[in-house]
Amino acid sequence: NAGVTQTPKFQVLKTGQSMTLQCAQDMNHNSMYWYRQDPGMGLRLIYYSASEGTTDKGEVPNGYNVSRLNKREFSLRLESAAPSQTSVYFCASHLTHREFNYGYTFGSGTRLTVV
Amino acid sequence: LAKTTQPISMDSYEGQEVNITCSHNNIATNDYITWYQQFPSQGPRFIIQGYKTKVTNEVASLFIPADRKSSTLSLPRVSLSDTAVYYCLVGDIDYGGSQGNLIFGKGTKLSVKP
Repeated sequence: NAGVTQTPKFQVLKTGQSMTLQCAQDMNHNSMYWYRQDPGMGLRLIYYSASEGTTDKGEVPNGYNVSRLNKREFSLRLESAAPSQTSVYFCASHLTHREFNYGYTFGSGTRLTVV
Repeated sequence: LAKTTQPISMDSYEGQEVNITCSHNNIATNDYITWYQQFPSQGPRFIIQGYKTKVTNEVASLFIPADRKSSTLSLPRVSLSDTAVYYCLVGDIDYGGSQGNLIFGKGTKLSVKP
């Protein structure tokens, strides 16, 4: 099925460990995004990539890095995990064209716990 | 990016029509209004989008007055499965340049009761 695939779905890290969250989309979308969602909160943008080869900081980029590996894949890396990064992480993609806009397509999320 | 204001929560009963209003006083000329739905443990899902007047699809209707400073999402005859958080977002959907993000607020938590 077409859509956004995130791996892993669940992860527990110890403080100071590193990991990479993977995201891939097969809809030929040009823009991709990483959001985090904390309990009772809306989604906050971490990083985004408007097109292949470009990345930009969002609202809460500290402690994260991203890589737009190709048009399909956009990964999020935590170099040294902290308990404050315990959250649900969502990847999204978007076709940035007014005539063909159907909104963002989100993945099912990665639930990350840092202990 | 235009800021939006919507109610924190709403309650309804099965079979009723639900209207959720969103205020966006600083909407820009190029901005569209988009609504998303989010169920627990899932990512948000696009519901409907509009620029002005009225838009209708198989899921909902979106009413936008002439001044575009507010919008109303209308869900006809809700069921228990419509219990979710609904987000109103405003932004330019053609993000080719330095734009590229939409701001999700806390949304409106809709609870549908039997």
